[in-house]
Amino acid sequence: NAGVTQTPKFQVLKTGQSMTLQCAQDMNHEYMSWYRQDPGMGLRLIHYSVGAGITDQGEVPNGYNVSRSTTEDFPLRLLSAAPSQTSVYFCASSKQGGTNYGYTFGSGTRLTVV
Amino acid sequence: GNSVTQMEGPVTLSEEAFLTINCTYTATGYPSLFWYVQYPGEGLQLLLKATKADDKGSNKGFEATYRKETTSFHLEKGSVQVSDSAVYFCALSDLGGSARQLTFGSGTQLTVLP
Repeated sequence: NAGVTQTPKFQVLKTGQSMTLQCAQDMNHEYMSWYRQDPGMGLRLIHYSVGAGITDQGEVPNGYNVSRSTTEDFPLRLLSAAPSQTSVYFCASSKQGGTNYGYTFGSGTRLTVV
Repeated sequence: GNSVTQMEGPVTLSEEAFLTINCTYTATGYPSLFWYVQYPGEGLQLLLKATKADDKGSNKGFEATYRKETTSFHLEKGSVQVSDSAVYFCALSDLGGSARQLTFGSGTQLTVLP
């Protein structure tokens, strides 16, 4: 049981480049989310999905796009990378949302934009 | 909106000392409360949770009680070990706002010395 798998683990981008952070889960979870972690700020929600075909914005969505074509996958796209997007990104999934169930987190992607 | 305020770190303790990490919250509804732990270089792991007032969550010697009257969910452990060194995040989730997504505190770095 792999849980939540994120790729790549590390990435360096130049300003203006685009890329996709991959996230896959094998637990048949309906809820999936993307967070970014910055020093002293905890984790902030970027985008989330409550099921295939349904996505919505979180606290800090600007500069990021998501789609959810399958239950298993929830990729995060950076359209034109900026230094302010240097961060550690975590994908998470949950059976029915965090109210009664915790979220399972991936091991993260460390992104540096130069 | 929802928010979580956590005790500022870092916290440094000697092995077998008593640990308290304070957490208070603001929520529009009746949230579920969580403590997550992040070991170096890893993703977040659910440590414990409580879903209603007066519930006590416990795991691995850690405990936290959901106090609605003081809007608090303080993390405690009677005797810490070196292996408890990690970053601890308090979080909440409710049905309002971003549909059961997690709102995190800023995290508290704990270092336990032998």
